[in-house]
Amino acid sequence: NAGVTQTPKFRILKIGQSMTLQCAQDMNHNYMYWYRQDPGMGLKLIYYSVGAGITDKGEVPNGYNVSRSTTEDFPLRLELAAPSQTSVYFCASSTTGISPLHFGNGTRLTVT
Amino acid sequence: GQQLNQSPQSMFIQEGEDVSMNCTSSSIFNTWLWYKQDPGEGPVLLIALYKAGELTSNGRLTAQFGITRKDSFLNISASIPSDVGIYFCAGQPANTGNQFYFGTGTSLTVIP
Repeated sequence: NAGVTQTPKFRILKIGQSMTLQCAQDMNHNYMYWYRQDPGMGLKLIYYSVGAGITDKGEVPNGYNVSRSTTEDFPLRLELAAPSQTSVYFCASSTTGISPLHFGNGTRLTVT
Repeated sequence: GQQLNQSPQSMFIQEGEDVSMNCTSSSIFNTWLWYKQDPGEGPVLLIALYKAGELTSNGRLTAQFGITRKDSFLNISASIPSDVGIYFCAGQPANTGNQFYFGTGTSLTVIP
């Protein structure tokens, strides 16, 4: 059982470039989340989805976009990368809105 | 967004000692979660709490949901080297539905 799989593990972007962080889960969870983790800080919610076709903003959505076309996949898109987006990004999923989150192993992104 | 105050920020203890850490919020929470994160990996769930006053154990770990619903505590008894890592609390406020907010973490170092 793979759980939550994130790709890539590492990426370096130049300012202004775009990329998509991939997230897939095989647990048939309805809820999926994207968090970012900066050094010495807790995780901040970027976007979340309560099911296919439904997404909503979290605490720090600016500069990001998401889509949820299937239950399994929840990609995060950065259109114009900025140094402030240098961070570790975690995808998570859960069965319901109050269930504990299951996390992937993260994508470490550096924007220079 | 919600502020979760987690303390202490870091701890250096001798192997075999007990550890206590806590999280407080400014508003009432419905759910408290405790996670452990090892370097280069995603957070892993340790304990989930759903009711005020609830006390739950997972091996040498014990967590409690504060009676005021604004705090939670995690205790680790007889620490061992593999307890090293960063511990995060996460909570879901009573009025925000699907969002979990995270504390800034407690970094634990166990000296053999």
